[in-house]
Amino acid sequence: NAGVTQTPKFQVLKTGQSMTLQCAQDMNHNSMYWYRQDPGMGLRLIYYSASEGTTDKGEVPNGYNVSRLNKREFSLRLESAAPSQTSVYFCASNRPGGRSYEQYFGPGTRLTVT
Amino acid sequence: GQQLNQSPQSMFIQEGEDVSMNCTSSSIFNTWLWYKQDPGEGPVLLIALYKAGELTSNGRLTAQFGITRKDSFLNISASIPSDVGIYFCAGQRDAGGTSYGKLTFGQGTILTVHP
Repeated sequence: NAGVTQTPKFQVLKTGQSMTLQCAQDMNHNSMYWYRQDPGMGLRLIYYSASEGTTDKGEVPNGYNVSRLNKREFSLRLESAAPSQTSVYFCASNRPGGRSYEQYFGPGTRLTVT
Repeated sequence: GQQLNQSPQSMFIQEGEDVSMNCTSSSIFNTWLWYKQDPGEGPVLLIALYKAGELTSNGRLTAQFGITRKDSFLNISASIPSDVGIYFCAGQRDAGGTSYGKLTFGQGTILTVHP
């Protein structure tokens, strides 16, 4: 049981390049989330998926797209990377029902855009 | 977007000391969570609070859900070097089922413990 996994762990992009960050969870969670973490800003929600087949914008969605491929996988795509997207990206998921607010996080992807 | 104000921003303490940090908001939250993030890792859930006035412990950690529902507190007793990290508060605003568990995070408190 690996929990929430993210790939890659590190990535360097040039301005204008595109890439997809991958996230998978093996806990049978319904909801999945993408956050970015910048110094002094805490974590800010980019996009979330309440359940398989649905996605919705969070606080800072501009410049990103997401795909909920199936119940396990939720990917984040940067179509044309900008230096302002240099950040640490975290994926998280919720367990179904009950106390669904308790989110479990992956180890993060450290992205640098030059 | 809505923010939680977390303080202090950083703390430098000696091993064995107690630590207190808090989180405040101008709006009501119905759930408060406290996370810890070790360097290079994702946040890990420490304590979840679901009722105003609730006091919950997890080992040396104790957290309280403020009675006004606009604040929460975390205390760490008898700190040890492995307590080093960033502590985040997070709030969940909606009591109903429409928010799908979306959380608002504080800016974090960086804790350094000197042996």
